[in-house]
Amino acid sequence: QKEVEQDPGPLSVPEGAIVSLNCTYSNSAFQYFMWYRQYSRKGPELLMYTYSSGNKEDGRFTAQVDKSSKYISLFIRDSQPSDSATYLCAMRGYGGSQGNLIFGKGTKLSVKP
Amino acid sequence: NAGVTQTPKFQVLKTGQSMTLQCAQDMNHNSMYWYRQDPGMGLRLIYYSASEGTTDKGEVPNGYNVSRLNKREFSLRLESAAPSQTSVYFCASSWDRGPNEQFFGPGTRLTVL
Repeated sequence: QKEVEQDPGPLSVPEGAIVSLNCTYSNSAFQYFMWYRQYSRKGPELLMYTYSSGNKEDGRFTAQVDKSSKYISLFIRDSQPSDSATYLCAMRGYGGSQGNLIFGKGTKLSVKP
Repeated sequence: NAGVTQTPKFQVLKTGQSMTLQCAQDMNHNSMYWYRQDPGMGLRLIYYSASEGTTDKGEVPNGYNVSRLNKREFSLRLESAAPSQTSVYFCASSWDRGPNEQFFGPGTRLTVL
């Protein structure tokens, strides 16, 4: 079992839909959870960053972490065509090799006008 | 600020050839990273440099060498390229090895025939 599992999709939704993206993980040492957005043929850019369990909201985006279930989610409200990209979850522990970011495979999202 | 820059953008090699991928950052970051991204595999860490003068192996270091030339520059060398090294290579940097955002470059698309 890989440390981080993410459904690669693709996921296609109409404009305005609520999108839910998810990752599961197996390493209890992970404490920091991130979502990166990657447009086609570009480098990833950080979208959301959370520490430990709970919710974090930023505009149309909400990141949710449930450490008891080892499950993280990213919700996108009122999705727009400009949200079409691949979304990568990433997580890490603290110190030594646990400080390395471990990425999911990414979910490709397409928002249709 | 240019952020993280990578050269070249594209490269085609024959099996057994060598090449060096260059990376530079202008954010005065202490830590730098090399990742590879393959379809169905996500981003995987090849090597990292926590600070100037230090380098450490990541998840997939075999077949690669790195040099932290100075605080700004971190290069990745393929001594004898193999088809299995066909991938998109991303350089990233962060303030330090703590739980800080990693900023990614635009990537180098490498094909080994």
